[in-house]
This record gives sequence, structure tokens and C-alpha cells, in this order.
Amino acid sequence: NAGVMQNPRHLVRRRGQEARLRCSPMKGHSHVYWYRQLPEEGLKFMVYLQKENIIDESGMPKERFSAEFPKEGPSILRIQQVVRGDSAAYFCASSPTAPPNYGYTFGSGTRLTVV
Amino acid sequence: DAKTTQPPSMDCAEGRAANLPCNHSTISGNEYVYWYRQIHSQGPQYIIHGLKNNETNEMASLIITEDRKSSTLILPHATLRDTAVYYCIVRVSNDYKLSFGAGTTVTVRA
Repeated sequence: NAGVMQNPRHLVRRRGQEARLRCSPMKGHSHVYWYRQLPEEGLKFMVYLQKENIIDESGMPKERFSAEFPKEGPSILRIQQVVRGDSAAYFCASSPTAPPNYGYTFGSGTRLTVV
Repeated sequence: DAKTTQPPSMDCAEGRAANLPCNHSTISGNEYVYWYRQIHSQGPQYIIHGLKNNETNEMASLIITEDRKSSTLILPHATLRDTAVYYCIVRVSNDYKLSFGAGTTVTVRA
């Protein structure tokens, strides 16, 4: 049973470009969470999604950031018109229930570098 | 969320037990104590959690004081692969958000 898969592992974008980060949850998991870790900082909750629904996006920046989890396919975190301050590691976690009875399973993350 | 306080760093000798303290003096009765770790360049990994009883699994043991104001994560036989940042988190069971602090950077030395 594969774990949470995130791709790409590393992504370099120029300022003003778009970044698309993908997260495939574990098999049987229908709840997905995105976290961001800025350099030298702790992980911060961004958004919680179920299939085709955004449940809580209270941690998402108000502009340029969006997330989706379609009926088919991975969850996508989209950052439009990236700026240097978006450089960070973005982690996705999934769970079969919300919240899970135990801990979350995290992916290995996507490291976004904006140049 | 109740906040936690952890030492910023600690060293441990390979093969010895590592005892990681965490203070959560404002924890409420329905909040659990969770421990995660983050090995360099990887995503956080769940270790263990508990409410008020001590817990043990294949990775670690969790000792929670009777007043629940502090806890200790014990790695019984630390290896070099246990070098990581360890996070102590408290949350209610029906809250899906995790609030990560700065954690404790544990370095296991040969």
C-alpha cells in the first residue's frame, strides 16, 4: 500500500509563473490536508478537503492560492503568480476519517523555489 | 489549542534511551498529547499519542504525568536514524488541525 504521494519533489518557478503541486492520498483515504513549512519555521495548516469539497481553507492566503480535490485524480494546490515569499516546503497528509483515530500520514513534500 | 513548550535541542548517544520532555500546563481535559517527528527533508511522521494513560508502541513510549501538565517521549534505544525534529502537539480528538511549534531537534551521536 503506497503512502501519500506528492509530486514533484522539487519545483522551481520564476516570479509570476504558476505552481501546481499534486497529492495522491493513501488508498482508501478521502480526506486531504495541506500544510506549508516556510524556511526555519514550523508547519502551518493551509486547507482541508474531501472529495470535491473544501471543508476548511482558513489557513490559505487570501489571494493567488487555491486547492481542489476532484472526484477522480489527485488533490492539487495551485499558486498563481508566485513570489519569492512562496518558497517553502508544501506537505500533504491524508486520513480515512476526519480526524483520524490515530495520526495522519504525510507525504514527503514538494519543495518550491521561486527565483 | 493548548500550547506546548519543548527544549530547542538535545543530544543523545546511540544505543541509549532518549527522553524528550514536553510541557502543556494549560491542557484541557479532552485534549490528547500527540508526538510527531520530522527527519530532514521528509514529511512529519506520527509516533504516538495518549490522553492520560501511558502508552507504548513499536517506536516509543509516552509517559503523561498524573496532572497531565507534562509528558515525556521515550525512544528506548536511539539510533542515528532517530535524528530528527520532534514535535509535541495537543489537540482535541475531533479537531483535524495540527499546530506545530518549533519542536526539539534531537541529534543522536555515535
